[in-house]
Amino acid sequence: DGGITQSPKYLFRKEGQNVTLSCEQNLNHDAMYWYRQDPGQGLRLIYYSQIVNDFQKGDIAEGYSVSREKKESFPLTVTSAQKNPTAFYLCASSPSDTGNTIYFGEGSWLTVV
Amino acid sequence: AQSVAQPEDQVNVAEGNPLTVKCTYSVSGNPYLFWYVQYPNRGLQFLLKYITGDNLVKGSYGFEAEFNKSQTSFHLKKPSALVSDSALYFCAVRPNTGKLIFGQGTTLQVKP
Repeated sequence: DGGITQSPKYLFRKEGQNVTLSCEQNLNHDAMYWYRQDPGQGLRLIYYSQIVNDFQKGDIAEGYSVSREKKESFPLTVTSAQKNPTAFYLCASSPSDTGNTIYFGEGSWLTVV
Repeated sequence: AQSVAQPEDQVNVAEGNPLTVKCTYSVSGNPYLFWYVQYPNRGLQFLLKYITGDNLVKGSYGFEAEFNKSQTSFHLKKPSALVSDSALYFCAVRPNTGKLIFGQGTTLQVKP
């Protein structure tokens, strides 16, 4: 089946740890995105990538890092510099970054313990 | 600043009645307009979009949306609500240049 797979669904992070959220898509989409969702605040863009080996910061990139070494994969690392990382993280992709519909994965919950 | 507003945090409707979830935007040019639905603990599912053409757009699960350029609105509608329509709905707008902008979301509660 075609789609966007995020893993793990639930992740717990200790203070000072870096954690990486996986996002894989088999839709052959060029563009990929990471969003953060907090209750009552809608979605905020963290990073996006229009093509392999290229990515740009979104609105809230501080404390996060990404890589795009393969077209299918766009992992997000939540670093220890992110002071309030507890949130629901959504990965998305679209055929290109020029107005096409964006499709979402099922999301990953990150909780700081 | 470009923005999307969903003025109602929650909409309550009885099953079988028509529903409307409101969305207005402040974006220059001719943006693309989208509606997504999110069920608890899940990702967003695409419902419908408006790019150009007929102001009434039909989408998944019997939903439709009406684009009104003069009022810069894109309200989501359904003629007869189902209990299973209860979810969080997001309006999103994509300017001609720039990234997708999401509204804050509206919780739809359909009661039997």
